[in-house]
Amino acid sequence: ELKVEQNPLFLSMQEGKNYTIYCNYSTTSDRLYWYRQDPGKSLESLFVLLSNGAVKQEGRLMASLDTKARLSTLHITAAVHDLSATYFCAVGNYGGATNKLIFGTGTLLAVQP
Amino acid sequence: ETGVTQSPTHLIKTRGQQVTLRCSSQSGHNTVSWYQQALGQGPQFIFQYYREEENGRGNFPPRFSGLQFPNYSSELNVNALELDDSALYLCASKPLVGGLSTDTQYFGPGTRLTVL
Repeated sequence: ELKVEQNPLFLSMQEGKNYTIYCNYSTTSDRLYWYRQDPGKSLESLFVLLSNGAVKQEGRLMASLDTKARLSTLHITAAVHDLSATYFCAVGNYGGATNKLIFGTGTLLAVQP
Repeated sequence: ETGVTQSPTHLIKTRGQQVTLRCSSQSGHNTVSWYQQALGQGPQFIFQYYREEENGRGNFPPRFSGLQFPNYSSELNVNALELDDSALYLCASKPLVGGLSTDTQYFGPGTRLTVL
């Protein structure tokens, strides 16, 4: 069964600092997603990574995918308070016709002024 | 704006009752999935519907059932509610761009179900 692990589970960082969230998954997949969730809200799509070596950037966030290592990273550059949220990675598990997403446990990011 | 809406926003039920949650997608979103997100956890896949038929299911018992309608709306029904069913229920759909299904699933705002 496909498992997705994120670390750290909780990250407290100061504004202006850089950090990386890691997402490991246990079996082969060709789709890796990153979502953001604010407290009490739904999931906002950040990135879709579809191939080995894919890198995508939006503002202060950059995501990458290494399918051989079964690892994705979400790098935060010069954090600001507005980035405080829970970040989930999810792996596409497309057995048959199912567009099933397996989510990691999430990383709660708190950016302190 | 994801084009996916859900109702109701919040719901309180008691153990043993039945509940129906609703999801509406934009025209062309012919795949809809439902997820359960317990507090402090990541979403768990319940099932998926494609062209009004269930075509994938997660580790949820049969008392979780669904329907998808031709107008791109869908329902999640849960019978014999248990305390552990308290969670945020999310539906997600995949829009078509240029006639092709996109890779991204867009989530609705969710329904917060509390079972007492």
